[in-house]
Amino acid sequence: GENVGLHLPTLSVQEGDNSIINCAYSNSASDYFIWYKQESGKGPQFIIDIRSNMDKRQGQRVTVLLNKTVKHLSLQIAATQPGDSAVYFCAASTSGTYKYIFGTGTRLKVLA
Amino acid sequence: DAGVIQSPRHEVTEMGQEVTLRCKPISGHDYLFWYRQTMMRGLELLIYFNNNVPIDDSGMPEDRFSAKMPNASFSTLKIQPSEPRDSAVYFCASSGLAGGPLPSYNEQFFGPGTRLTVL
Repeated sequence: GENVGLHLPTLSVQEGDNSIINCAYSNSASDYFIWYKQESGKGPQFIIDIRSNMDKRQGQRVTVLLNKTVKHLSLQIAATQPGDSAVYFCAASTSGTYKYIFGTGTRLKVLA
Repeated sequence: DAGVIQSPRHEVTEMGQEVTLRCKPISGHDYLFWYRQTMMRGLELLIYFNNNVPIDDSGMPEDRFSAKMPNASFSTLKIQPSEPRDSAVYFCASSGLAGGPLPSYNEQFFGPGTRLTVL
């Protein structure tokens, strides 16, 4: 029979509010982290990245925070808009490789 | 640049048939990645190439899967014979050296994917 699929965690936010999406990684050797956005029917699209020598990086309306002590990173989206509705993935990589290990993703729903 | 191009966008085939997925990376990029995305397992790296040479194929599920990169502008992922459990969306991504003195961690640019259905 068909396997039950992954149940993606869903974050619902009101339009105009800030969104915070969290991600945990397991490999303490990971030193490069990326957030991707995937809209329905499309490939993942790069949002922002951060290296392990930083704990915060800001882009346009987005901020990534990295806490290496607890192996956690988060993506903050300011003034969330309907166009932000998508699945968001974090990915981790280790220097010397070009392999990304992707998280399972979080679905963001923006309520009008 | 048109970005990473994949073909076909959709493929429906019957169990036991051979399936070939194609990818054209962004011109100038020297890394190419094949991923598979399913609801059950999420986004998994299957194999990646550097300068047309396979570097890591540890994610290839089994011998039924093979990938080639005959030149810098073309790669294929082949499944022979296909099985229903191969049904998934297959993505190709490419990345290139940023140049300069900094470590070359680079964004991977993803194609639109090929949705494969094996009946």
